[in-house]
Parts: sequence; structure tokens; C-alpha cells
Amino acid sequence: EAEVAQSPRYKITEKSQAVAFWCDPISGHATLYWYRQILGQGPELLVQFQDESVVDDSQLPKDRFSAERLKGVDSTLKIQPAELGDSAMYLCASSPGLAGRTQYFGPGTRLTVT
Amino acid sequence: DQQVKQNSPSLSVQEGRISILNCDYTNSMFDYFLWYKKYPAEGPTFLISISSIKDKNEDGRFTVFLNKSAKHLSLHIVPSQPGDSAVYFCAASGNAGGTSYGKLTFGQGTILTVHP
Repeated sequence: EAEVAQSPRYKITEKSQAVAFWCDPISGHATLYWYRQILGQGPELLVQFQDESVVDDSQLPKDRFSAERLKGVDSTLKIQPAELGDSAMYLCASSPGLAGRTQYFGPGTRLTVT
Repeated sequence: DQQVKQNSPSLSVQEGRISILNCDYTNSMFDYFLWYKKYPAEGPTFLISISSIKDKNEDGRFTVFLNKSAKHLSLHIVPSQPGDSAVYFCAASGNAGGTSYGKLTFGQGTILTVHP
């Protein structure tokens, strides 16, 4: 069964350092999402890609966060510099786009900023 | 502005009985609804979905009901099993237009515990 891949699974970093997360969506899925989940809350969208184009990044803190999906396949989310409040689970999801709107999630990256 | 709400933080059920998880939404532009199950330190796993043109969708032990006039949906699990113990999130999306669909807006989650 096809799955969304994410790495690393866990990341501990000191504040003011840079950190990057990688996501490989299900093959053929045109739409890719990055969500952030704080403990005790539901995931919230950071950025949505359609192929290589950003569709929605209205909730992305652009002063420190960046995301790219250069060839319309895998994607990288970067934080620089990391802050204590960035500690959360970072989830990647993908969906087929016009062929289907159910989003499938990867295992996530648990980020701890010390 | 919480557009999707799960008002019960937790639910405890005996094995073999029915579990009913509830979700309310406020945005009338939502037209697709999903339920996800999540274990600690893992990503959400898709369970079942329903389009706004339907009022019921069933998949094995899981049934989702949608009441559009009340802006309410529920997930029924029958019979409940100890392995169903997890956090359950409802989520909703609207059509963003063009070639993509909109983001998922999640509720806060309900912790389901099924006792043997």
C-alpha cells in the first residue's frame, strides 16, 4: 500500500538553529500539504502545493519558515531560526487532486526546540 | 474562530458496545467531511469520509452520518474493540476551485478508550 514518507521522525534542535523536514507524497498525488499539530489540538495547515506551485501559504510564518516542491514531487519544509514555540508535530499529507480529495498523512516529524 | 468543534474531549466505552463521536461545524462552504484516527507519535490515519450530497456512509464497523441542516456529523463504531482506542479527529474541507481542493480544518479531537 502506497504511503507518504517523512524524515526525520524525530528532531531535537536548539533555538536559533536551522532545521529541515522532508516529505515524499504518494506517487501520482498532485497536491501536497504541510500541517503543524500542537499537542492537544488538531493539525493546522501551513502550506499547500498543487504540483510545484504554492496554492495556500497564508498561515506560514514566512519570516522564518519556507517550503518548496521544486519538481512537483517531494517537498522540504525549513525553519530558520527555530524558536521554542515551534516545538510540535509536523505532518505532511497528499491527495490525488481532481481524482480524489481524501488527504493521506505521513508519520510526521516530532520537533523539539530546546 | 473554531469552525470545526468536537465538544467531547474524551469518551469511554465497553468492548462490544457502540462508540458515537460527534462533531459540529459552522462554515456552510464545507462540502466534504472526514474522520481520522491518530495514535501518539504517528500521523493521522484516514477512516471514512462523506460528501455533502449524502447523509450516510458505511465502511465495515464504521458509519458516518451527516446532518447538513444541523451542521453536525457523527462517527459510529460498532462493535467497539480495544484496538479502536485512539484520538479521533473530524475534519472538513471546501472546494477551493480550479484544480485543487481546500485545506482540511480539524476539530480538537476526542480520546476514545475502549475497555475490555
